[in-house]
Amino acid sequence: EDQVTQSPEALRLQEGESSSLNCSYTVSGLRGLFWYRQDPGKGPEFLFTLYSAGEEKEKERLKATLTKKESFLHITAPKPEDSATYLCAGSGNTGKLIFGQGTTLQVKP
Amino acid sequence: DAGVTQSPTHLIKTRGQQVTLRCSPKSGHDTVSWYQQALGQGPQFIFQYYEEEERQRGNFPDRFSGHQFPNYSSELNVNALLLGDSALYLCASSLYRLGTYEQYFGPGTRLTVT
Repeated sequence: EDQVTQSPEALRLQEGESSSLNCSYTVSGLRGLFWYRQDPGKGPEFLFTLYSAGEEKEKERLKATLTKKESFLHITAPKPEDSATYLCAGSGNTGKLIFGQGTTLQVKP
Repeated sequence: DAGVTQSPTHLIKTRGQQVTLRCSPKSGHDTVSWYQQALGQGPQFIFQYYEEEERQRGNFPDRFSGHQFPNYSSELNVNALLLGDSALYLCASSLYRLGTYEQYFGPGTRLTVT
């Protein structure tokens, strides 16, 4: 059965304290690994698509990487406005997204 | 360029009633997917529509049905509402790129069943 697991469930950082979020996946015929940011009560905001192992993508303080079993979202020198829930999702041959439960990040000033 | 839009924003219904949620996809997108997100959980796939037909379906009962119109907009219908149907309902429209569907989400409809 296809599955995506994220860790940790919650993460508290001081402003400027870099860290990484983990996403482990078992998705048959993975076609894409997606990262989204979700603010409370809102829809997920698209961040990155990773297509193959070894690929990396960056956007401001965020960098996403992909291996054959895991993806990492690295946050460098975070700011309070980076506080949100970060969702990871895998997509196989069918095109539907299989989500993890998310990591809720809180960055304190 | 307008993104994905959904209506209504919030909805309160009574157990046993029926509800219809609406979605307009991002310009240029022809595939619409619906997801249910319970509080504190990741979104769960309900179904996907393409060319006005349901292309695939997740593990949801037949009380959940949908429709896609010629302009690619979509509706989600839920019959015989249960308390457990209370959730954020998300619509995503897709762009097929590099062998996968890059999905963009709307703001969601918060459904509360009392």
